[in-house]
Parts: sequence; C-alpha cells; structure tokens
Amino acid sequence: DTAVSQTPKYLVTQMGNDKSIKCEQNLGHDTMYWYKQDSKKFLKIMFSYNNKELIINETVPNRFSPKSPDKAHLNLHINSLELGDSAVYFCASSRGDSNYGYTFGSGTRLTVV
Amino acid sequence: GENVEQHPSTLSVQEGDSAVIKCTYSDSASNYFPWYKQELGKRPQLIIDIRSNVGEKKDQRIAVTLNKTAKHFSLHITETQPEDSAVYFCAARNNAGNMLTFGGGTRLMVKP
Repeated sequence: DTAVSQTPKYLVTQMGNDKSIKCEQNLGHDTMYWYKQDSKKFLKIMFSYNNKELIINETVPNRFSPKSPDKAHLNLHINSLELGDSAVYFCASSRGDSNYGYTFGSGTRLTVV
Repeated sequence: GENVEQHPSTLSVQEGDSAVIKCTYSDSASNYFPWYKQELGKRPQLIIDIRSNVGEKKDQRIAVTLNKTAKHFSLHITETQPEDSAVYFCAARNNAGNMLTFGGGTRLMVKP
C-alpha cells in the first residue's frame, strides 16, 4: 500500500488553464504539505495544513490554493497556469509534533506549455 | 524564519571513499534535523535524522553529527558505493512550526 499517493504523475497543460493535483495519505498523519521542486532541485514549502490551521508561504502566488476535504487528503488547485509553474510538486505528510520527518508522495511533474 | 545552507552543491568521490555534506541553520530554536536521499526521478526518502539532545547518530555506513552551538550539522557516508549516488538534502525544524526548511541539496556522484 502506498503511504502517500499523488495523481497524476505527469501533467502537461497550456498556459492559462486551471488544474488540480490530488494527494492522499493512509498513515493517519495529522499534517500535510505541498512542496515545489524546481529545475535546480530546490525544495520550497508552499503550504502546511492540519485540521486546525493552514500555513501559507507568503511567496506563493494566490493562484495556488490547497483544498482539504478531510484529514487524509490535501489537493492543490492552480488557476491561470504560467510557464514558471513548471516543476515537480511533492505532497508530504507527518505526525503532528515536530520531532518526526515527512513521508513524501511520488511527485507530480507539471509542464506548462 | 529558518534558513538552511548546504555545501557542497556537488560532490564526486571514488567508490570506497568517504563523503561529507555540511549544513548550517539560522534558527537556534530548531531541534530536529533529518536527511533525505533523492534518486533520479524518485521521491525524497528519509535516511537518518538527529534531535537536538543528541550530538551524533550512526546507522551502518551513515552518520550524522550536530553542533548546536555552531548551528551546523553534517552527514558522513563511509565506504561509498555507486548506489549512494543521488541528491541529498538536509533540513531543520523547530517547535514553533511544523514545516521543514530544506537545504539546497548536494548531488553526490560515486565513481566505480
């Protein structure tokens, strides 16, 4: 069983479109995250979310929005896609306290053309 | 907020040699320091971590050291093998938030 699963694995779309990436975890973790990994491999936090609090990295454009229907899911919705949004997006989850690492999903490679 | 610097950005070693990757962090409140390995096209995977009440931790060929005073921590890989080739990330987290801040990554190449 995959602990953190993302769909789709690959996404190619045109500029201006709206798209969503889904993420689900079956680990019973309290907190989920979205990270963006650019072409230079840098991992940048976008959002942190548990059932009480959403923390947004202030550098993330408001075209990006997380949506969590329940504790096990955190989807990423992107409006008006731009070329610079092309990257690999990783979902991750962790226990609620600070002394444990993340389990990452397999990533979604988004290409905007 | 936290800032994590990682060096070197690339590291090439001969099989059997040791590899050392170093990270510094800015927030003295950080108390958890994991290391991740990311193979080409794969997800980052946790390989070892250390908490602030410990100065060193070892797991087979991998060890991590932490110097809280100097705010730096290091990953040591001994007897490197070609399958150790990957990008390695350090990270730091504190009690105030639950987000990991990652270093910029080190691409390790182990030549047979």
